[in-house]
Amino acid sequence: DTGVSQDPRHKITKRGQNVTFRCDPISEHNRLYWYRQTLGQGPEFLTYFQNEAQLEKSRLLSDRFSAERPKGSFSTLEIQRTEQGDSAMYLCASSFRPGQGAETQYFGPGTRLLVL
Amino acid sequence: QKEVEQNSGPLSVPEGAIASLNCTYSDRGSQSFFWYRQYSGKSPELIMFIYSNGDKEDGRFTAQLNKASQYVSLLIRDSQPSDSATYLCAVPPYAFGNEKLTFGTGTRLTIIP
Repeated sequence: DTGVSQDPRHKITKRGQNVTFRCDPISEHNRLYWYRQTLGQGPEFLTYFQNEAQLEKSRLLSDRFSAERPKGSFSTLEIQRTEQGDSAMYLCASSFRPGQGAETQYFGPGTRLLVL
Repeated sequence: QKEVEQNSGPLSVPEGAIASLNCTYSDRGSQSFFWYRQYSGKSPELIMFIYSNGDKEDGRFTAQLNKASQYVSLLIRDSQPSDSATYLCAVPPYAFGNEKLTFGTGTRLTIIP
């Protein structure tokens, strides 16, 4: 257990429904990342926050995806009008940005989404 | 050329032997390199990171980095069945900036008892 938690761990939904995932990072970590992983692939970057500011969004993140980190602590990732292609493991990672040296990211257990 | 490349395997190694996992990357500006282990159905778990040329050892694991060749490897000594997993190489594209990770597809390692 890295100290990063995600909820729910599994979600099954029907195409067209909206879903929301939550990530609670390690408490002293100021950076929070969202990745998506499909079978047989490595995780792909979606977006990241430093404190409450969303600093980058991947081109993979269509307009149906939105992420927030309102108080610089937990984050939510919402997918609107889900499609079958959204089925994947959604991973959250947190880190503390050091003044120098490598920044290490620690992953939560993930939320596995299945869109029927 | 993919940004981070790994042989997908599967790589089978007898128990007690050395497992060697390789990774190449395309961005010459990358400064730090990470190895994650991922068991089936689980999330990635950080094993090691390296940012200096040469070797870095941690227990049975050794990471090796050659920036001139844009090559990073992970050696696992005295392989155990519990080492059977997918090993992901991850590289952030910028030096000490945005540290979003670009992952390879992973190498599936099986340790044969």
